[in-house]
Amino acid sequence: DIVMTQGALPNPVPSGESASITCQSSKSLLHSNGKTYLNWYLQRPGQSPQLLIYWMSTRASGVSDRFSGSGSGTDFTLKISSVEAEDVGVYYCQQFLEYPLTFGSGTKLEIK
Amino acid sequence: EVQLVESGGGLVQPGRSMKLSCAASGFTFSNYGMAWVRQAPTKGLEWVATISYDGSSTYYRDSVKGRFTISRDNAKSTLYLQMNSLRSEDTATYYCTRGMGGFAYWGQGTLVTVSS
Repeated sequence: DIVMTQGALPNPVPSGESASITCQSSKSLLHSNGKTYLNWYLQRPGQSPQLLIYWMSTRASGVSDRFSGSGSGTDFTLKISSVEAEDVGVYYCQQFLEYPLTFGSGTKLEIK
Repeated sequence: EVQLVESGGGLVQPGRSMKLSCAASGFTFSNYGMAWVRQAPTKGLEWVATISYDGSSTYYRDSVKGRFTISRDNAKSTLYLQMNSLRSEDTATYYCTRGMGGFAYWGQGTLVTVSS
């Protein structure tokens, strides 16, 4: 199985500052078709998860441009510029290169 | 508006069965693969099973293989998860999601508690 390892944030993050969440995969998620099979989700407290980023760097419909995804085949970053109160929650990375689909353990973001 | 509404959760004894349903609306259900993702209390997300748009292909995580069955009724726009031989470690909120790899839409979840 592909293991997804997420880094922690130095919580709480001051409002208006930027925050970067890291994710590492145990296998390259770069496919021969040139696409990277990596998604990012946000789960706000008490809510269902929400897709933020797919194909490593494409924002999902309706997602603020304060969110951006980047990376290589095995190392990925979700950057949130100018964090706001509504960004509070747990962020998950997920690979969909192969089954079983796997998620990272989550990174909690708190705002000061 | 895309809506996914799960039902069928509750308290069940270990070793017993339970069937979850997910009623879909707001999109052409038969065009999309669907999946179940679960979340144990205070834990992270865990993919459970996926089914292709026409039901011809199914995929399961190892821990549920042989015990869980994902299926769909495209005429009713409904996704199912039949869960047999339930274990305490299956206790979780089960989410219905749209997609084969990336999950753009999620239901509100239904809680399954396996306990005697």
